[in-house]
Amino acid sequence: SAVISQKPSRDICQRGTSLTIQCQVDSQVTMMFWYRQQPGQSLTLIATANQGSEATYESGFVIDKFPISRPNLTFSTLTVSNMSPEDSSIYLCSVPSGLDTQYFGPGTRLTVL
Amino acid sequence: AQSVTQLGSHVSVSEGALVLLRCNYSSSVPPYLFWYVQYPNQGLQLLLKYTSAATLVKGINGFEAEFKKSETSFHLTKPSAHMSDAAEYFCAVSESGNTPLVFGKGTRLSVIA
Repeated sequence: SAVISQKPSRDICQRGTSLTIQCQVDSQVTMMFWYRQQPGQSLTLIATANQGSEATYESGFVIDKFPISRPNLTFSTLTVSNMSPEDSSIYLCSVPSGLDTQYFGPGTRLTVL
Repeated sequence: AQSVTQLGSHVSVSEGALVLLRCNYSSSVPPYLFWYVQYPNQGLQLLLKYTSAATLVKGINGFEAEFKKSETSFHLTKPSAHMSDAAEYFCAVSESGNTPLVFGKGTRLSVIA
C-alpha cells in the first residue's frame, strides 16, 4: 500500500488569502487525485494531476482558483486561492496503487474566517 | 456516468447487533466498488473492494460486502457491531483502479452500548 502524507494537517486562514497544501507519496505514481470534502458532505473530485502535464479539472473547479503543481512522481501541491468561508473543507489527495486500489492521504482541514 | 446512492444518512445499531449499510450503484461499465471508513478527524481508510473477482468480499475489521449485479448493489455488513465501528462510511465506484472515484453521500454509523 502507498503511504501518503499531507501538510498542513489543518489551518485557519483569513478570507482573501491563499493556502498551498502539499501531498507526498512514498512511491512513484503517475496519477494523483485531489478531492474536497465540504462539512458534512461527501468527497468531490477537484482535479487529476499527472506528472509532466497540466492538471485536468472537474466541472465547477478552475485552475485560477485551485492551481496544482506536479513537479515529480512523488509530490503534488494544491493551492486554494483568494479564499472565502465557502472554501472551508477537508482537502484530500489520493493515489492509485496497483491496478485496483486507491489510497488517501490524511487530509488537510481548512477553516476560512 | 457513474453514481452511487447510499440509503440512510445515519444508521444506529446496538453493540453486538448486525450492521447493514446499503449502497446501490449505477455504471455503464463493469464497476470497481469500494467501501471506505472515515473516523472522526481522520482521513479515509479502505475497508474492502470489489474488482470483478469473488462477489463476496471480505475486508478489515470483520466487514464484508456482496456484489449483486442484478440488484446493482454492494451492501456492507458486519455480524456484530462494536463501539469502535462508529464512523462515517462511504461507498464509491470507479471504472478501474486508476480512475477517480465517485462517492456516495456517506452513512454515519452510531453504535449504542
